[in-house]
Amino acid sequence: GAGVSQSPRYKVAKRGQDVALRCDPISGHVSLFWYQQALGQGPEFLTYFQNEAQLDKSGLPSDRFFAERPEGSVSTLKIQRTQQEDSAVYLCASSLRRLEESPLHFGNGTRLTVT
Amino acid sequence: GNSVTQMEGPVTLSEEAFLTINCTYTATGYPSLFWYVQYPGEGLQLLLKATKADDKGSNKGFEATYRKETTSFHLEKGSVQVSDSAVYFCALSDTSGGSYIPTFGRGTSLIVHP
Repeated sequence: GAGVSQSPRYKVAKRGQDVALRCDPISGHVSLFWYQQALGQGPEFLTYFQNEAQLDKSGLPSDRFFAERPEGSVSTLKIQRTQQEDSAVYLCASSLRRLEESPLHFGNGTRLTVT
Repeated sequence: GNSVTQMEGPVTLSEEAFLTINCTYTATGYPSLFWYVQYPGEGLQLLLKATKADDKGSNKGFEATYRKETTSFHLEKGSVQVSDSAVYFCALSDTSGGSYIPTFGRGTSLIVHP
């Protein structure tokens, strides 16, 4: 399995529910990014990890959003008390080293629909 | 801050037509520039990149030249195929400006008819 794997592929949540989205990056990849992509828009940055360290979380839209990568591999994006405006595709991407040395590899995303 | 502006889509072409998708950028430093492509049902994947002025990135018949004077990185292909139908994203990464986080444009959908 060579690619970035995200699960679930689709998630429907009732407003107010908590959700957890999982990302399995390519083995050995140091950098991991989460992006949010609204319909018809480009990916918007949420947060960035280098190994287990969360170096930048400036894109997280509110304190309802939380991400972790405790062992420097798998990452989880958690959204608490989901709202309708959270409906989007959540993309995970990883890269082998520092960004300028290697390209981003994206997963297929998790499509979250909040009803 | 950094930003990327792409032309609105969809771009609809007949097979073998010439393709241009415009991309301009704003950056505080000296960015690297990228084109990513997203085929239906798949994740984004890197198509090509350029890291300094006048560099030309190329792949699969696509090419784009880093133009610092016009802050542009337009994507071109001489003869498109139906299989090129996808969404194309222009992106920048501005490590020299201190923000290495890749910034993406909104994407341009390309539809190629036989």
